Amino acid sequence: AQKVTQAQTEISVVEKEDVTLDCVYETRDTTYYLFWYKQPPSGELVFLIRRNSFDEQNEISGRYSWNFQKSTSSFNFTITASQVVDSAVYFCALSEARLGGYQKVTFGTGTKLQVIP
Amino acid sequence: NAGVTQTPKFQVLKTGQSMTLQCAQDMNHEYMSWYRQDPGMGLRLIHYSVGAGITDQGEVPNGYNVSRSTTEDFPLRLLSAAPSQTSVYFCASSYGQWATEAFFGQGTRLTVV
Repeated sequence: AQKVTQAQTEISVVEKEDVTLDCVYETRDTTYYLFWYKQPPSGELVFLIRRNSFDEQNEISGRYSWNFQKSTSSFNFTITASQVVDSAVYFCALSEARLGGYQKVTFGTGTKLQVIP
Repeated sequence: NAGVTQTPKFQVLKTGQSMTLQCAQDMNHEYMSWYRQDPGMGLRLIHYSVGAGITDQGEVPNGYNVSRSTTEDFPLRLLSAAPSQTSVYFCASSYGQWATEAFFGQGTRLTVV
């Protein structure tokens, strides 16, 4: 069964600290995509990154970095030198292909990050 | 470029009332979907559409109806509102069916009393 687990419900860090948000997934498919979305206090959902199952290279975008490890079925997200604007709920999601065009997307329950000034 | 537009942003309904949540996108995306977000449960798929005239059920479809008469619009109908449908609803669209990122609307906070 397809499943995404974000075990950290809430995390608080002091500004400028580094923080890692964990995401562990389960799938029987060999072809799938993983995503991270950010939901700031204003409520909208914003796409951050997409990674396909054949690309295990880590990615860095400014203060954000992602560590994809198929061996442990994890796709963790690290924010370096956190800022107050990083305060948000972060969702990890898994997308599997299905015949007939059904996009099977499963979201984790989210991790609420609070960055304290 | 408006992206995905949802209306209304807030709504209070009485039990048994019906209403339609509107969703429109201007990106010519074929794939559109509706999610509900509840505390501690993440986002759950209600209904989705892979193109005009084609819709199907997601994970939690009971009590909701959808139609897709145009590429741009994907309204969600609550047939007879129940308190269990109190939630935040998000409409999303994407270019591809499963491998591309989704663009979300601003959300509709619905309360059923």
